[in-house]
Amino acid sequence: DSGVTQTPKHLITATGQRVTLRCSPRSGDLSVYWYQQSLDQGLQFLIQYYNGEERAKGNILERFSAQQFPDLHSELNLSSLELGDSALYFCASSMMGRDSEKLFFGSGTQLSVL
Amino acid sequence: SQQGEEDPQALSIQEGENATMNCSYKTSINNLQWYRQNSGRGLVHLILIRSNEREKHSGRLRVTLDTSKKSSSLLITASRAADTASYFCATDAKRDDKIIFGKGTRLHILP
Repeated sequence: DSGVTQTPKHLITATGQRVTLRCSPRSGDLSVYWYQQSLDQGLQFLIQYYNGEERAKGNILERFSAQQFPDLHSELNLSSLELGDSALYFCASSMMGRDSEKLFFGSGTQLSVL
Repeated sequence: SQQGEEDPQALSIQEGENATMNCSYKTSINNLQWYRQNSGRGLVHLILIRSNEREKHSGRLRVTLDTSKKSSSLLITASRAADTASYFCATDAKRDDKIIFGKGTRLHILP
């Protein structure tokens, strides 16, 4: 158990809908990362937060947004969903979000867009 | 785009043999990490090597880093069935501090 909690584990929805994925980092970790994993694209970096502030942005679509709340949990919002958004979405956390820190991953949210 | 690219994409070896996976990357890095993912589950950190290190060991794992060639290798010695998993390298680029993963190597240990 990594200590990172992601909910829900599975999500099935239809095209055009909006969903929210939730992540609670390990106790004491201030930084949260979101990754999207699909079969053809591998693990894609979406966005990183540190103590409530956006720190780095990757290949995150404009239809996607995220935030980190004062209690350090984070939410990833996906809207106007398309079939291609079906993927495994991972949250990871680290203590300070600095280099040389290892990431602790949650077990992921499997999103299926039908 | 991917920063790290693992090679080979897939590897099958007999139990007890050594497994070697390679990772190439494009830009200068602060460090490089290797992670393991069991089927459909979260990634687990294996080992981190800093840009000023050339080799690092952890149990049956040996990682090398060649910054001049922008490449790293992960060696798993005396493989076991439990080593069956996907292995990813992750680079922390100096230019932007993003931690970027490759597409991974799928390792299958045959009994």
